[in-house]
Amino acid sequence: EPEVTQTPSHQVTQMGQEVILRCVPISNHLYFYWYRQILGQKVEFLVSFYNNEISEKSEIFDDQFSVERPDGSNFTLKIRSTKLEDSAMYFCASILNRGDYGYTFGSGTRLTVV
Amino acid sequence: DQQVKQNSPSLSVQEGRISILNCDYTNSMFDYFLWYKKYPAEGPTFLISISSIKDKNEDGRFTVFLNKSAKHLSLHIVPSQPGDSAVYFCATSNSGYALNFGKGTSLLVTP
Repeated sequence: EPEVTQTPSHQVTQMGQEVILRCVPISNHLYFYWYRQILGQKVEFLVSFYNNEISEKSEIFDDQFSVERPDGSNFTLKIRSTKLEDSAMYFCASILNRGDYGYTFGSGTRLTVV
Repeated sequence: DQQVKQNSPSLSVQEGRISILNCDYTNSMFDYFLWYKKYPAEGPTFLISISSIKDKNEDGRFTVFLNKSAKHLSLHIVPSQPGDSAVYFCATSNSGYALNFGKGTSLLVTP
């Protein structure tokens, strides 16, 4: 069964450093998402991406965050200057069509900011 | 902002019995409702969904019920199996926009 692949599985970074979280969505999918889950809290939407541009973003997704699909297979989330409160599990997801609600999620990247 | 609430953080059920997980939502504009299942160290896995035009959807051992007037949905698992032990997230969507998740209910099915 096709998978969404995320790397690394765990990333530790110092506060103020830039991090890039990487995702390889399912190859024929067209819509890509980043969600995050802070420990003990709900899964929260960050951003959706379609046709090489952001289609929707949440209040969490401020100027410190950016997304990119650099080469047609990878989908990345960059945090420019990490804060302690950015520590969370970050999940990438993809779907073929909007309205295909059964997202396929990756296994996540645990980001720890120290 | 808790648009989706799962008021039971945990639930323990004996193998073979019914598990009932509940979810309440506040926004009547939501038109699609989903349940995801999550094991430790894995991402959420889509389980079952229902659109707002229906009140029940069944898939094998899993049935989702939607009560729009009460803004409530539930997931029934019958019969429950030890492999069903996981965290279950309720999620909602409005016309294909981003999913709104609840905090999850940890289900433990004991032999």
